[in-house]
Amino acid sequence: DAKTTQPTSMDCAEGRAANLPCNHSTISGNEYVYWYRQIHSQGPQYIIHGLKNNETNEMASLIITEDRKSSTLILPHATLRDTAVYYCIVLFSTSGSRLTFGEGTQLTVNP
Amino acid sequence: GAVVSQHPSWVICKSGTSVKIECRSLDFQATTMFWYRQFPKQSLMLMATSNEGSKATYEQGVEKDKFLINHASLTLSTLTVTSAHPEDSSFYICSAPSVAGGPDTQYFGPGTRLTVL
Repeated sequence: DAKTTQPTSMDCAEGRAANLPCNHSTISGNEYVYWYRQIHSQGPQYIIHGLKNNETNEMASLIITEDRKSSTLILPHATLRDTAVYYCIVLFSTSGSRLTFGEGTQLTVNP
Repeated sequence: GAVVSQHPSWVICKSGTSVKIECRSLDFQATTMFWYRQFPKQSLMLMATSNEGSKATYEQGVEKDKFLINHASLTLSTLTVTSAHPEDSSFYICSAPSVAGGPDTQYFGPGTRLTVL
């Protein structure tokens, strides 16, 4: 699975958009980009995933560059409850693949 | 969405005793489940893959005789920490993949905090 690089921490004002970047320059054509987050002392939560096209769901949007070497997770209107560690993970899509967590980005949403 | 539960949510035990942690998929079946461990201020580390009806697969460096995994049904996997010691104190989290969420979407339990005195 391709290695990812994320900033250690980011701050965002409540109500503003939070844009979390992820670099995955060694990604291969068959690897998906997944985003999970972990609120303090809880299990991780799936957010969104994509292969080539931009994706949007009720939680967030995922923007993947055309060369697929980087992506950005966008929380359109961050709330205090979005404070968490956000993990960008790249892996092949086979049923039940093992997830390898990096250090992630600690996002702090400030009032 | 798919729900995964864990029991207990926290446990305190004496050194040398064994502790069993249960992981259940509540509204879907899971032939595979995963067990992770997380130390304070660190990321999750995959310990093992639990396979229904067969032996678990352990990651390098994880002692299979110390961390016993049983996946007896399509909705239940258990992790038993045998002869626990203070260094085993950690946050243990399980996950299960569900095709309902799309390829490779994993659903995580809330975690079990183990403290060994």
